[in-house]
Amino acid sequence: DTEVTQTPKHLVMGMTNKKSLKCEQHMGHRAMYWYKQKAKKPPELMFVYSYEKLSINESVPSRFSPECPNSSLLNLHLHALQPEDSALYLCASSQDRGGNTEAFFGQGTRLTVV
Amino acid sequence: AQSVTQLGSHVSVSEGALVLLRCNYSSSVPPYLFWYVQYPNQGLQLLLKYTSAATLVKGINGFEAEFKKSETSFHLTKPSAHMRDAAEYFCAVTEGDYGGSQGNLIFGKGTKLSVKP
Repeated sequence: DTEVTQTPKHLVMGMTNKKSLKCEQHMGHRAMYWYKQKAKKPPELMFVYSYEKLSINESVPSRFSPECPNSSLLNLHLHALQPEDSALYLCASSQDRGGNTEAFFGQGTRLTVV
Repeated sequence: AQSVTQLGSHVSVSEGALVLLRCNYSSSVPPYLFWYVQYPNQGLQLLLKYTSAATLVKGINGFEAEFKKSETSFHLTKPSAHMRDAAEYFCAVTEGDYGGSQGNLIFGKGTKLSVKP
């Protein structure tokens, strides 16, 4: 199994809503990532978890809250988002954080904030 | 700090023609380099990676890339384009093996490949 599964595939939420994005992998990877991708742009790193501990928070606003309940799961909790937060949110995992290890990406969640 | 530059935001080729997507890197240490492909409304899929084992790297779907240190380049090629190759292609480098940012992918801005029948 070389898949990273993200749910839901699409999400529309109001600015006062609370929602969560979920990501799951069963490859035994110990590093997991959240990326944000705006249209016609490359992915931008948001958070990195290594061995279930938050390693990097790339100055992401507090309305985005990551969580890593166990080594297979990664969540991104959303609250009080703005329309400019609408984007494709990608989850990825890799065996570890070594520079030569490849990252496997999920299909993404297309988020629209209204 | 590492970075990659992709020359050409949009490349258009005819079906059967050579595909050449350009990527130049900047790195103070030996780099690890990657090419990813993204089809519309999809995640990213790894095409190939360079990790210093061999300068000519073969990937999936008939793609290959050659690492040229003297030119600081890692261009992606495919001898004969197929319609199904139409997608966005990202070159990426990781921030080395040490330090707080180890393993983080740094992406180029992407090149959209169009394939004409």
